[in-house]
Amino acid sequence: DADVTQTPRNRITKTGKRIMLECSQTKGHDRMYWYRQDPGLGLRLIYYSFDVKDINKGEISDGYSVSRQAQAKFSLSLESAIPNQTALYFCATSDQLNTEAFFGQGTRLTVV
Amino acid sequence: AQKITQTQPGMFVQEKEAVTLDCTYDTSDQSYGLFWYKQPSSGEMIFLIYQGSYDEQNATEGRYSLNFQKARKSANLVISASQLGDSAMYFCAMREVRSNDYKLSFGAGTTVTVRA
Repeated sequence: DADVTQTPRNRITKTGKRIMLECSQTKGHDRMYWYRQDPGLGLRLIYYSFDVKDINKGEISDGYSVSRQAQAKFSLSLESAIPNQTALYFCATSDQLNTEAFFGQGTRLTVV
Repeated sequence: AQKITQTQPGMFVQEKEAVTLDCTYDTSDQSYGLFWYKQPSSGEMIFLIYQGSYDEQNATEGRYSLNFQKARKSANLVISASQLGDSAMYFCAMREVRSNDYKLSFGAGTTVTVRA
């Protein structure tokens, strides 16, 4: 089993719909992150969390919200999806030494 | 301002040859970390190598080595003896410690195609 698991792996949704992307990890890490990847832009940080009570906005948080339900679970929500949120989304975790970030397999989201 | 710059959108390399992927970074921190990730066509992000700003020696991991030139703010990845399976997109990333949030900033990536 993967250390960082994202569900769903692929999703097509309609404009205006609410959608949740889920992430769970078995690494025991405190730090969790959500990134989106767009062609030519690399990965950009949406939100991050250092523990269950700690939520922080990244560089592109508008239109997104997150929930840290437990140390191992961090979900990303699009309250009202729009087409320019079509992207590849990654969840990642790291420990306090942070010499490596572990990524999930990615969720390919298409908003039509 | 862009923190990580990868100037090569795409590169071709012959199998068994070495290839160097460029990465320059911008930070005023003294303490930071530099990472390289590989993303094959399947989409997952695979960690390759890490270099800390205080590490005096260049990091190496198997066929991967990081050419760290601190004064030039350069962290190029060298892949030796390229294999067909090395065809992928490669991302350079940096973690700054200043704000204590350990976020990773990524470059736009370089696509490498290995030719037989």
